[in-house]
Amino acid sequence: GNSVTQMEGPVTLSEEAFLTINCTYTATGYPSLFWYVQYPGEGLQLLLKATKADDKGSNKGFEATYRKETTSFHLEKGSVQVSDSAVYFCALLRLSSGSARQLTFGSGTQLTVLP
Amino acid sequence: EPEVTQTPSHQVTQMGQEVILRCVPISNHLYFYWYRQILGQKVEFLVSFYNNEISEKSEIFDDQFSVERPDGSNFTLKIRSTKLEDSAMYFCASSAPGAGGNTIYFGEGSWLTVV
Repeated sequence: GNSVTQMEGPVTLSEEAFLTINCTYTATGYPSLFWYVQYPGEGLQLLLKATKADDKGSNKGFEATYRKETTSFHLEKGSVQVSDSAVYFCALLRLSSGSARQLTFGSGTQLTVLP
Repeated sequence: EPEVTQTPSHQVTQMGQEVILRCVPISNHLYFYWYRQILGQKVEFLVSFYNNEISEKSEIFDDQFSVERPDGSNFTLKIRSTKLEDSAMYFCASSAPGAGGNTIYFGEGSWLTVV
């Protein structure tokens, strides 16, 4: 079946440090890949996505490239801010019955950025 | 920007009581979902719903759970007889038909505490 493996957290960085959160997946076919972010006390927000191999998703300075050869979708940001402190979830989307979709999530990575 | 809204944001209930969690999906979306996140764990798929019927459900979604679209805007999750292990954040989500459905949008969640 489908699965997503994320880098274990928590991750603590100083402001302006470089961030990488690793994500690898196992799936049949060609899933779409996503990063969702959950800020403290809030719900899941879509951060970025990529729908096919070699696509790069980007938003708010975050980037991730869909690498089919390594089945990876690592999240990166060149310079993190305190406001980036949140839990980050990697997820893959597969088509389920009809046109409904089902997301499979990784375990989440807690990021804390210190001033 | 259109969003998925959920009520209540937090509910405390006694074990064995019935709970109804409510959601208003994004207005032009046709696929609706419930996901669950037990504290500190992965976000898990519960059920997807389309055309007034369940499209797919996970093994978590047993007979104590039910979903309904009682009118043109609301989508509800009912837990008939709550158990302590039902304590979790419940996320409603929706997606558009066709290619637009490759992104699932989440609400802010309803935190259920069973005591």
